Amino acid sequence: DIQMTQSPSSLSASVGDRVTITCRASQSITSYLNWYQQKPGKAPKLLIYGASSLQSGVPSRFSGSGSGTDFTLTISSLQPEDFATYYCQQSYTTPPYTFGQGTKLEIK
Amino acid sequence: EVQLVESGGGLVQPGGSLRLSCAASAFTFSSYWMHWVRQAPGKGLVWVSRINSDGSSTSYADSVKGRFTISRDNAKNTLYLQMNSLRAEDTAVYFCARDGPPGTAYWFDAWGQGTLVTVSS
Repeated sequence: DIQMTQSPSSLSASVGDRVTITCRASQSITSYLNWYQQKPGKAPKLLIYGASSLQSGVPSRFSGSGSGTDFTLTISSLQPEDFATYYCQQSYTTPPYTFGQGTKLEIK
Repeated sequence: EVQLVESGGGLVQPGGSLRLSCAASAFTFSSYWMHWVRQAPGKGLVWVSRINSDGSSTSYADSVKGRFTISRDNAKNTLYLQMNSLRAEDTAVYFCARDGPPGTAYWFDAWGQGTLVTVSS
């Protein structure tokens, strides 16, 4: 199975900061990488699919990049509602549809 | 607006069974693959099972294979997860999730609110 590793596991940042979260796959997954946001007690929400395509309705401050094994999610200017946990997920070899362990973004 | 509503969670003893349901609305349910994803308390997301649009093909995580069965009733716009031989490690919030538009590469573009399954004596 393909393993997904996110870094960092947690991150403190301030409103207005630019933030980058990294996801690494254990083998090449070309561009089959998706990003989700989850707030406490809520369902995950799709942000980015296919490594860089923004899901409808998601603010443009979110962007994704990368291919092969290394990917990034960038939030260009943090807003108060962006403090949440973020997960990457590979869809290159399925099943299983493996997720990263999550990155918790907290207010500094 | 696309809506997925799970039900059927609760407290069950080890070795017991439970059936989860996920009622779908505001989209053509019969056209979409569907999934179950779970999240143990304080932990990350783990994919559990997938079913194709007409129910003819299913897949499972190794951890639930042989114990869980995914199914669907397209006439009732409902997805199911039959869980047997439950273990403490199955304790989690179970989410149903819709696969991306038909023919796309397996992302989850709509999620239910989740239902909590607790396996304990």
